[in-house]
Amino acid sequence: EAQVTQNPRYLITVTGKKLTVTCSQNMNHEYMSWYRQDPGLGLRQIYYSMNVEVTDKGDVPEGYKVSRKEKRNFPLILESPSPNQTSLYFCASRGYGGSYNEQFFGPGTRLTVL
Amino acid sequence: AQTVTQSQPEMSVQEAETVTLSCTYDTSESDYYLFWYKQPPSRQMILVIRQEAYKQQNATENRFSVNFQKAAKSFSLKISDSQLGDAAMYFCASSPGGATNKLIFGTGTLLAVQP
Repeated sequence: EAQVTQNPRYLITVTGKKLTVTCSQNMNHEYMSWYRQDPGLGLRQIYYSMNVEVTDKGDVPEGYKVSRKEKRNFPLILESPSPNQTSLYFCASRGYGGSYNEQFFGPGTRLTVL
Repeated sequence: AQTVTQSQPEMSVQEAETVTLSCTYDTSESDYYLFWYKQPPSRQMILVIRQEAYKQQNATENRFSVNFQKAAKSFSLKISDSQLGDAAMYFCASSPGGATNKLIFGTGTLLAVQP
C-alpha cells in the first residue's frame, strides 16, 4: 500500500530534550515536506526537500532541522524543543512530475512540549 | 508570495442540503494548482478535489464540485446532498506549478452537519 508513515504518532516531552520525528514514504517520491498545524493558522510548511541531500526552509523553520540522506526518509529534528513547538506535525511527499502537484500526507504526530 | 484566505471559520448544514465553502487566493504565478483537503476528527489529511488553473472547466468529484473564478481568484467548494460523514475541517490550498514543493494553506473552515 502506497503510504507516508510517521513515528511516533503521539509524543509528550520536556523543554530542551532533543527529539526526532521520523517520516518515511514508499512511493519513491522525490519531494518531501514537513508542516505544522496550529488552531486558527492552518498548516504551515517548516522545511522541504526536493531530493536526497537537497533541503530548504519553508515558512516557519526556526527551531527545526531536517536531513535527507535517503530518498524514502525525511526526519524532523527538534534539538531543543520549547513549548511553542507544541503542535500537530505532518509529513508529506509527492513525485516529480506528478499530476496536479498533489501531495500525500502522513497520519500526523501530536507533539506536546512541557 | 502566495496567500490563501478562508473567511468562514465555521459553517453548518442540514443533512441532505447543499453548502458552499469559500476560498480566495492571491498569486503572481501563471501556472498553479488549487486543492480542497478534508480533515476529519482522525486528523488525516484527505484530498477532496483539485483544479489546474489553466483549465476553465470546474472540477467535480461525486458530490463535491468547485466554482473556480480565475479572474476573481476565487475557489469555492460546493458539497451537495451533505452527509454526516462530511463533518470535518476543510482546508483550501494552493501550489505553484512546475518543480516546486510549496503548498500554501488557508486557515480552514469547520463544517458541522446537522441530522
